[in-house]
Amino acid sequence: DADVTQTPRNRITKTGKRIMLECSQTKGHDRMYWYRQDPGLGLRLIYYSFDVKDINKGEISDGYSVSRQAQAKFSLSLESAIPNQTALYFCATRTSGTDTGELFFGEGSRLTVL
Amino acid sequence: GQNIDQPTEMTATEGAIVQINCTYQTSGFNGLFWYQQHAGEAPTFLSYNVLDGLEEKGRFSSFLSRSKGYSYLLLKELQMKDSASYLCAVKDSNYQLIWGAGTKLIIKP
Repeated sequence: DADVTQTPRNRITKTGKRIMLECSQTKGHDRMYWYRQDPGLGLRLIYYSFDVKDINKGEISDGYSVSRQAQAKFSLSLESAIPNQTALYFCATRTSGTDTGELFFGEGSRLTVL
Repeated sequence: GQNIDQPTEMTATEGAIVQINCTYQTSGFNGLFWYQQHAGEAPTFLSYNVLDGLEEKGRFSSFLSRSKGYSYLLLKELQMKDSASYLCAVKDSNYQLIWGAGTKLIIKP
C-alpha cells in the first residue's frame, strides 16, 4: 500500500460543482502539502500545513480551501469548480526532522472540470 | 521574480550518458532538489545539494554551483526505464520550493 494515498484518482465534474480531494498518509509526517501540476509549468503550491492547527496559503490558493482533520489527513476543496482548475493534483508530505526536506508524493488526482 | 530554467526535452541513447541542466534565479538559496517523474506518476526524490560540488548516488550524480546559480543531473549507463521527466526545485530564503517545469528525457534503443 502507498504511504501517501489520494482519493479520487480521477474525477470529471461540471463547472460550479463542489469537489473534495482527500489525502491520507501513514508516514507519520507532520507537514503536508497540496500542489497542482499543469503541462509546461512547474509544480505550484496551493496550501500547506505544518501541523493540525496550522494552515498556510501557497502561491495559488484562490478558489481552493483545505482542512487538516488529523495529522494523517489533509483535504483540498474546490468550492465552485471552474475549467481552469483542470489539472493533476498532488498531495505531498515531509517530516520537519530532516535537513534535506525530501517530499513524498501521493499518486495524484486528475481533475477535469467541464 | 523567481525562475528555474530547464530544457523542455532531451533525447539520449540507451547505455550512454546524459546531462540535464538547471539554472535558477531565486530570492535566496537553501538547497536544490532533483526529482524523477514517470508519466502519470508521482515525483520521486533523486538528490539534494546544498553545498557546491558533486554528489554521486549510483548511476546518478548531481552537481551544484551556487555562485553560478547552476546545477546539473548526470545520468550514466542509461536504461530504458530512465525515460521520465526530471524536475529541478530550489528552496528559497523562505524555505519554499520553487519548481522548474521539468525536462522530459527520451531514451532510444
